[in-house]
Amino acid sequence: EAGVTQFPSHSVIEKGQTVTLRCDPISGHDNLYWYRRVMGKEIKFLLHFVKESKQDESGMPNNRFLAERTGGTYSTLKVQPAELEDSGVYFCASSRNIDTGEQFFGPGTRLTVL
Amino acid sequence: GNSVTQMEGPVTLSEEAFLTINCTYTATGYPSLFWYVQYPGEGLQLLLKATKADDKGSNKGFEATYRKETTSFHLEKGSVQVSDSAVYFCALSALSGGSYIPTFGRGTSLIVHP
Repeated sequence: EAGVTQFPSHSVIEKGQTVTLRCDPISGHDNLYWYRRVMGKEIKFLLHFVKESKQDESGMPNNRFLAERTGGTYSTLKVQPAELEDSGVYFCASSRNIDTGEQFFGPGTRLTVL
Repeated sequence: GNSVTQMEGPVTLSEEAFLTINCTYTATGYPSLFWYVQYPGEGLQLLLKATKADDKGSNKGFEATYRKETTSFHLEKGSVQVSDSAVYFCALSALSGGSYIPTFGRGTSLIVHP
């Protein structure tokens, strides 16, 4: 069974540009989560999809961030326009059930905004 | 709100030394507790978990006991190996808004020297 994959692994962009991150969850996992870790700090929850619906987007920092999950398969997270403070590692995770809290994580995308 | 506090790293040990990484939490209700591990270049992997007070989670020689009275979930291993070098994240998961969204600590980097 393939794990959670994320693309790209690294992205370096300039302030004001747009970046789109992609996450492919484990097949059959209806739940998909996005997280962000700023250097040396906690991993912060951004949002949770159940299939194609946003179950909880309370962690999205502002309206420069847009997440989609068309068709309930892969998901994209777009940052437009990017700011310096958006730099960090963006993790995606998926799970089959939501009642245990156990999730399967991708390797993350390291975003650097210059 | 929920929070997780874990000891700052890096923790540097020689091979075969005893490891303790402290983790304490604040949560309402009865959370499940987790330790995740992130090896270089990889995503977070669930290492062990405990779902109720006095439960002991164990895996790969690592152990942690859910202590409700001290709100702690310290990670221990009797004899570390070089291959245990990684970042370890303590996390809790509690029901919030109809789903279980984990709250993570800042991570503790472990470096094991031969």
